[in-house]
Amino acid sequence: LAKTTQPISMDSYEGQEVNITCSHNNIATNDYITWYQQFPSQGPRFIIQGYKTKVTNEVASLFIPADRKSSTLSLPRVSLSDTAVYYCLVGDDNTGFQKLVFGTGTRLLVSP
Amino acid sequence: GAGVSQSPSNKVTEKGKDVELRCDPISGHTALYWYRQRLGQGLEFLIYFQGNSAPDKSGLPSDRFSAERTGESVSTLTIQRTQQEDSAVYLCASSSVRRGMTYSEKLFFGSGTQLSVL
Repeated sequence: LAKTTQPISMDSYEGQEVNITCSHNNIATNDYITWYQQFPSQGPRFIIQGYKTKVTNEVASLFIPADRKSSTLSLPRVSLSDTAVYYCLVGDDNTGFQKLVFGTGTRLLVSP
Repeated sequence: GAGVSQSPSNKVTEKGKDVELRCDPISGHTALYWYRQRLGQGLEFLIYFQGNSAPDKSGLPSDRFSAERTGESVSTLTIQRTQQEDSAVYLCASSSVRRGMTYSEKLFFGSGTQLSVL
């Protein structure tokens, strides 16, 4: 079972870059790494997904080293609205199907 | 609808009663997941459906919990003889599974059902 470890919480200020690192030492060859964002009273929302190296979209960047045992979500110039819980997921191949297991999540608080 | 729909959005029940929670996934999505989220906690996996079958029921916390899915669409999570510890938000997600040598899956979540057991 691929398990992830993230910091419980992080604090930042508006306009700063935030990097959240997730450890996944037992990641399997075919697993992808996916990050979700969750606001209060809402279900999680997909942010970004990657397999190796670097992926960038309009919201964030995802950095994955060659050994893939960790990944870093980078949020450029955060705003107050980025205050949320961020989850790192790694696919778990079991009997031919994937079961995505959420980690503890990182609670990001952005202050003025 | 365009997204995952869950009903009811809120449910208050008395201890010992049975409850049914419903999830309407995005049309065409073959995979469906149920998660539980207690206040201030992360997501706890309950059960996963591929089509109408559930290859993984390992997350169901007790035999009071059951789930079914019909027509590769709607799913119902049933909790029998509810206990106060069952109070939580129950989240449903669906995805369009793409199998192959490399695999990626994106989950689309509903807004959840807030269950309160008095």
